Amino acid sequence: NAGVTQTPKFRILKIGQSMTLQCAQDMNHNYMYWYRQDPGMGLKLIYYSVGAGITDKGEVPNGYNVSRSTTEDFPLRLELAAPSQTSVYFCASSYMGGTTEAFFGQGTRLTVV
Amino acid sequence: AQSVTQLDSHVSVSEGTPVLLRCNYSSSYSPSLFWYVQHPNKGLQLLLKYTSAATLVKGINGFEAEFKKSETSFHLTKPSAHMSDAAEYFCVLNYGQNFVFGPGTRLSVLP
Repeated sequence: NAGVTQTPKFRILKIGQSMTLQCAQDMNHNYMYWYRQDPGMGLKLIYYSVGAGITDKGEVPNGYNVSRSTTEDFPLRLELAAPSQTSVYFCASSYMGGTTEAFFGQGTRLTVV
Repeated sequence: AQSVTQLDSHVSVSEGTPVLLRCNYSSSYSPSLFWYVQHPNKGLQLLLKYTSAATLVKGINGFEAEFKKSETSFHLTKPSAHMSDAAEYFCVLNYGQNFVFGPGTRLSVLP
């Protein structure tokens, strides 16, 4: 069972470059999320989606964009990378809100230099 | 507003001794609560969840947690720590569509 798959695992970007972090899930989950994890800060929600074609901002959306054209895929786009975006990024999915847990990918470690 | 507090940023125990990781929450609703574990350079794995059924919840690897509404707490315990338990632990609250994470507690297990 693949679950939630994130690519790439590691990436180094130069300031001002752009990139897309890929996320795919094979559990037919409606809800998908992008989080960033910074040391001692827990996970902060960047964007989320409750279904194909529907996305919404989380706590820290500035500098990021998302799209959800299919149930399976939820890419995160970084435009004009900045050092403040150096972080570990996690994609997650859940069947629905409420009582169901989230399943996480293995993370993408991004460094902006 | 919904929030999660983990009272200890770092807990250190000896192998074979009990583990207690503390979590308090604030929620306007009756919450769903979870504990996740993250081993170094890994993703997050679900340990256990509370969803308004039994207040004492058993999870994987011998962990359990008790939901106490009067104390707004959901502390994680394990009777006997193992070296493989060394990791970061997150208490998480689910409300509506989203999840709110505590800042995490790093558990060290000494031989």
